[in-house]
Amino acid sequence: AQSVTQPDIHITVSEGASLELRCNYSYGATPYLFWYVQSPGQGLQLLLKYFSGDTLVQGIKGFEAEFKRSQSSFNLRKPSVHWSDAAEYFCAVGPSGGYNKLIFGAGTRLAVHP
Amino acid sequence: GAVVSQHPSRVICKSGTSVKIECRSLDFQATTMFWYRQFPKQSLMLMATSNEGSKATYEQGVEKDKFLINHASLTLSTLTVTSAHPEDSSFYICSASSGFSGLSTDTQYFGPGTRLTVL
Repeated sequence: AQSVTQPDIHITVSEGASLELRCNYSYGATPYLFWYVQSPGQGLQLLLKYFSGDTLVQGIKGFEAEFKRSQSSFNLRKPSVHWSDAAEYFCAVGPSGGYNKLIFGAGTRLAVHP
Repeated sequence: GAVVSQHPSRVICKSGTSVKIECRSLDFQATTMFWYRQFPKQSLMLMATSNEGSKATYEQGVEKDKFLINHASLTLSTLTVTSAHPEDSSFYICSASSGFSGLSTDTQYFGPGTRLTVL
């Protein structure tokens, strides 16, 4: 079955520290991969996406993610976290070249200590 | 750009009543809109996809007679929860896409969600 796993429900980091949010997927073929961020009272915002090509993708707000086919992973990273990064982060997969149907992980809530 | 709004943000209703939730694309034409449901500490689950002027396509297990979706214009889709019951209490999120292909390459822009509580 197609699924997305975000192993960490909640993560706390200090401001200025590096961050890595994990995402693993189970999919029949190479999927399209997405990371979204959800702040309170706001809709999910697309941080970055991977369709093909370079497996290291750059996104907005200083985030990047690396697609590792052998590990079925698409982890999100940021070298230095800002207090404004506190939010919920969702990893999602969609069929490459297929119908626009996203499967989301359960999300990781990020807290940032000053 | 690409802002999607939802109204209301919160609604409380009595069991047996119907509730309508609106989803609007404010600065673009949404050829496709999606409705999701999110349970506490769980992921978003796609309920249905609607294309402007067409009947919605519901995901397996979603009752189309309970969750009525209308996408009458390129900027508005509505979700009506009919004869709501406490188990329908949830966070409902819409998204909109301006793409014509219907493929995963079309970016979805999400609304802020509507919290429905059925007493």
